[in-house]
Order: sequence, then C-alpha cells, then structure tokens
Amino acid sequence: KQEVTQIPAALSVPEGENLVLNCSFTDSAIYNLQWFRQDPGKGLTSLLLIQSSQREQTSGRLNASLDKSSGRSTLYIAASQPGDSATYLCAVKGSGNTPLVFGKGTRLSVIA
Amino acid sequence: NAGVTQTPKFRVLKTGQSMTLLCAQDMNHEYMYWYRQDPGMGLRLIHYSVGEGTTAKGEVPDGYNVSRLKKQNFLLGLESAAPSQTSVYFCASSPVEPWAGNEQFFGPGTRLTVL
Repeated sequence: KQEVTQIPAALSVPEGENLVLNCSFTDSAIYNLQWFRQDPGKGLTSLLLIQSSQREQTSGRLNASLDKSSGRSTLYIAASQPGDSATYLCAVKGSGNTPLVFGKGTRLSVIA
Repeated sequence: NAGVTQTPKFRVLKTGQSMTLLCAQDMNHEYMYWYRQDPGMGLRLIHYSVGEGTTAKGEVPDGYNVSRLKKQNFLLGLESAAPSQTSVYFCASSPVEPWAGNEQFFGPGTRLTVL
C-alpha cells in the first residue's frame, strides 16, 4: 500500500528565504506526482504535476523535482513571500484506476 | 468555466439525518472523486467514478453512497449521519489518462458538522 510522508509538518521562515519542502513515498511505481496548495478553509489548488518520466517541473518561483528510484520529491520555493503561507500537499498516483494518495501536508508560514 | 463546484458550502446535521452533497464540473472530465479531510489524517478517498454510470470504493467508503447519473455530476449521500462523519468534504475531477496528465482539480469543499 502506497504511503506518502511529508516532512516537516510545519515550517516558519522569514520573508525572502529560499526553502525546500520534502515528500517521500514508499512505492516507486508511480504514474505522476502532484503538488497542491491549500489556504485555510479553502480547497486545493494544483501547483505542479510531474509525470513519472520527468525529473522536474517549474512554475514561476516554484520548482518541483522527482526522484522515483529513491521515492522522493522536493518542492523548492524561491524568495518566499507572506502570500506563500499555506499548507502544501504532495500526492502520488499509481497506474490504472488507482486513486491519488496524499501526504498530510506541510504548513508553511512566511513571516514579514 | 466554473471548474468544480460543490453544494452546499456548510451544513449542520443531527445524528441519523440524511443528506446529499452535490458536485458538478464543467470540464467534461471522465473521472470524479469524493474525499474527506480530517485534522491529522490528511485527505482520504471515499468513492470515485471513472465515467458516467460507474462508481468504485475508495479508502473509507463505509456510511456513504454515491451516484454518477450524469457525466458532469457526482453525488455523495449520507443515509444516516454519525458524528464521526463530521469533516470537510472535497470533490475533484480529472480528465481521462494518460494523455491528459490526470491532473486533479478540486472544488472549494463542504464543511459538514454532525451533532
């Protein structure tokens, strides 16, 4: 059974810092990996999707990497801003009709 | 496009009452999902559908039923609500894989309290 772990559970950084969020998964036979952002009381917004054949994806100040063999992904946020404060969720999908398996998220606070 | 919408946004039920949560998507997606999110538990899949007229059980299906009579709608039913079903419910949809990448799009959630 696929398990997804995100460390740390919470992170507080000063504005302007570059930071890395970690995601690990136990079964490397994944189809893709998706990073989401969730603001308090809101739904999930997809940030980046990495297919199993890809090594990384970039969107603005965000860069996500994937190392399938080691079962790890990282989300790099450059020059963090207070508006980046949210919970970041990692989810992996196996092949076929298997559903997404989510980590419990990292709650990020960027202090001005 | 409205994307994925959920009705209602909030609801309070008494134990034993029934209700239906409605999810609608206007992206012509084949796949639809219902999740619940609880503190410390993360998101857990309740039921999902891979197309109109199909449903399948997820990780935590007990106490819930679903129907996908139309491609754009996915209904989640609670026949006899219990306090353990107090949660935030999210609906999601995704296009048919593999060429569409199977990115999931989420609704804003329904906050349900069962007293």
